[in-house]
Amino acid sequence: EAQVTQNPRYLITVTGKKLTVTCSQNMNHEYMSWYRQDPGLGLRQIYYSMNVEVTDKGDVPEGYKVSRKEKRNFPLILESPSPNQTSLYFCASSLDPFQPQHFGDGTRLSIL
Amino acid sequence: QKEVEQNSGPLSVPEGAIASLNCTYSDRGSQSFFWYRQYSGKSPELIMFIYSNGDKEDGRFTAQLNKASQYVSLLIRDSQPSDSATYLCAVGSEGTSYGKLTFGQGTILTVHP
Repeated sequence: EAQVTQNPRYLITVTGKKLTVTCSQNMNHEYMSWYRQDPGLGLRQIYYSMNVEVTDKGDVPEGYKVSRKEKRNFPLILESPSPNQTSLYFCASSLDPFQPQHFGDGTRLSIL
Repeated sequence: QKEVEQNSGPLSVPEGAIASLNCTYSDRGSQSFFWYRQYSGKSPELIMFIYSNGDKEDGRFTAQLNKASQYVSLLIRDSQPSDSATYLCAVGSEGTSYGKLTFGQGTILTVHP
């Protein structure tokens, strides 16, 4: 089954404790992206990746890191999480940025 | 001015009516346009995508794109209660922001029986 898998689905943690949200796709897609969703603000792009070892900042990259060492994986790293990063996060992938995105099920992060 | 802006909601229509959702964008170099539907607590799912000026129809859904006026719209004919959801407009950039995808803030649609 073609899918984008995110883990964990839910996480409650504390300020400053490094965390990683994993994202994996099995569709051999070149393009992958991370978004955060907050009430009234829609989806805001954090980082995107056109291919392995190629990443670019989206609209809200501050406080986040990403890496793309393999085509299928695109982890999101919060090195020192803060409460303003409490949000719903989505990973997505597509063949290229001009094709429809396939979304993961989302990760709800709460940072206390 | 927001890069991608959707008509403010919430939008409420009776069952069987036409729902009209609008989206304007600021980047004239944008070439790809998407409409996603998102049910509460779920991930976005694709409804339509359009690349060329004009209309594109798929069942009860029609996407309309006007690049000169920088707007894209989604019409839902014969609206059903199951269409009640948040609708997200997304615009893909070329040029200096090649690969960047920008979403609007979403419009909540309620279809009442």
